[in-house]
Amino acid sequence: KAGVTQTPRYLIKTRGQQVTLSCSPISGHRSVSWYQQTPGQGLQFLFEYFSETQRNKGNFPGRFSGRQFSNSRSEMNVSTLELGDSALYLCASSPGTSGLTDTQYFGPGTRLTVL
Amino acid sequence: AQSVTQLGSHVSVSEGALVLLRCNYSSSVPPYLFWYVQYPNQGLQLLLKYTTGATLVKGINGFEAEFKKSETSFHLTKPSAHMSDAAEYFCAVRPNSGNTPLVFGKGTRLSVIA
Repeated sequence: KAGVTQTPRYLIKTRGQQVTLSCSPISGHRSVSWYQQTPGQGLQFLFEYFSETQRNKGNFPGRFSGRQFSNSRSEMNVSTLELGDSALYLCASSPGTSGLTDTQYFGPGTRLTVL
Repeated sequence: AQSVTQLGSHVSVSEGALVLLRCNYSSSVPPYLFWYVQYPNQGLQLLLKYTTGATLVKGINGFEAEFKKSETSFHLTKPSAHMSDAAEYFCAVRPNSGNTPLVFGKGTRLSVIA
């Protein structure tokens, strides 16, 4: 099976712009989670989608949003970019069938740089 | 709220030596516990996880971890380090009820010296 894919892998934006990141989960997986990874804050949970519904949300401002499509692919959007949004954004998919013990499979991430 | 503490942001060992990466969690109820590894420019890969049952969990690449409830710990070990083990390691917890997401520790960077 193909792994989790994320596009683009690298992105450079300027302050005030918006950005959309894409994630294609492993075939058959219905749950997609997003994380932000920075050197200072580590890995922080953004949100989780399951069957097109947001099931969980982390403590991020409303500028961060996401959605999931019927084929389980997911996108996240960040509007009005700030310098502090520079990070590695990781997407993880899981089958969604074992609940809390589900293993999350991570993609390689999208490296976002905000200038 | 759940929290995870990884003692030591950087651990350095010689090739062939024992690897010990420490993880402690704070929770009144034992959570589900995970160890992930991240190689440079890659995403995270699951090494092993503890949900229920045997407290000594074996994972990939020769790693294992032992859940110790009395010490609220889930330390990761490998008897003999290999150069290819150099990476960042993350411990993560998830409460065994409710619908809260994974909470990750800050990570420990493992260096292996030839």
